[in-house]
Amino acid sequence: KQEVTQIPAALSVPEGENLVLNCSFTDSAIYNLQWFRQDPGKGLTSLLLIQSSQREQTSGRLNASLDKSSGRSTLYIAASQPGDSATYLCAVRPIGTGGSYIPTFGRGTSLIVHP
Amino acid sequence: EPEVTQTPSHQVTQMGQEVILRCVPISNHLYFYWYRQILGQKVEFLVSFYNNEISEKSEIFDDQFSVERPDGSNFTLKIRSTKLEDSAMYFCASSEHTDTQYFGPGTRLTVL
Repeated sequence: KQEVTQIPAALSVPEGENLVLNCSFTDSAIYNLQWFRQDPGKGLTSLLLIQSSQREQTSGRLNASLDKSSGRSTLYIAASQPGDSATYLCAVRPIGTGGSYIPTFGRGTSLIVHP
Repeated sequence: EPEVTQTPSHQVTQMGQEVILRCVPISNHLYFYWYRQILGQKVEFLVSFYNNEISEKSEIFDDQFSVERPDGSNFTLKIRSTKLEDSAMYFCASSEHTDTQYFGPGTRLTVL
């Protein structure tokens, strides 16, 4: 069974810092990995999706990398801003027995960026 | 920009009652999903729907749950006889292919 772990669980940093959020998964037979942002009491906003054949994806100040063999992905946030404060989730979609695509989510990293 | 919408934003019901949660996926999307998130817990997959039928469901999605696409735009989740433990945020999502999923804002279900 796929297990997804996100470290750290919480992070509080001053504005301007560059950040690395980590996501690890136990089964490397994945279809893709998606990073989301969730604001309190709100839905999930897709940030980046990395297909299993890709190594990284970039969008603005965000960069996500994927190392399937070691079961890891990192989300890099450059020059953090107070508006980046949210919970960041990663979700892994497997290629399992019978072609299952049921995604597994991590618990998330709760980020606070203070001015 | 197109977005997934969900109604109602908050639903309060008595234990044992039936509820229907509604979603309008992005119009050209073909894959639809329901997830739930119990307060303080992980997001959990419930069901995926493609070509007018369920393509996958989790262990959570038992006989009390059902999904339907009653017309060309709506996608609904019905819980037949709600239990206290069904209290959660329910998210609908859609995708064009089996790739990026776009989530709605969620419906907060409170079962008393």
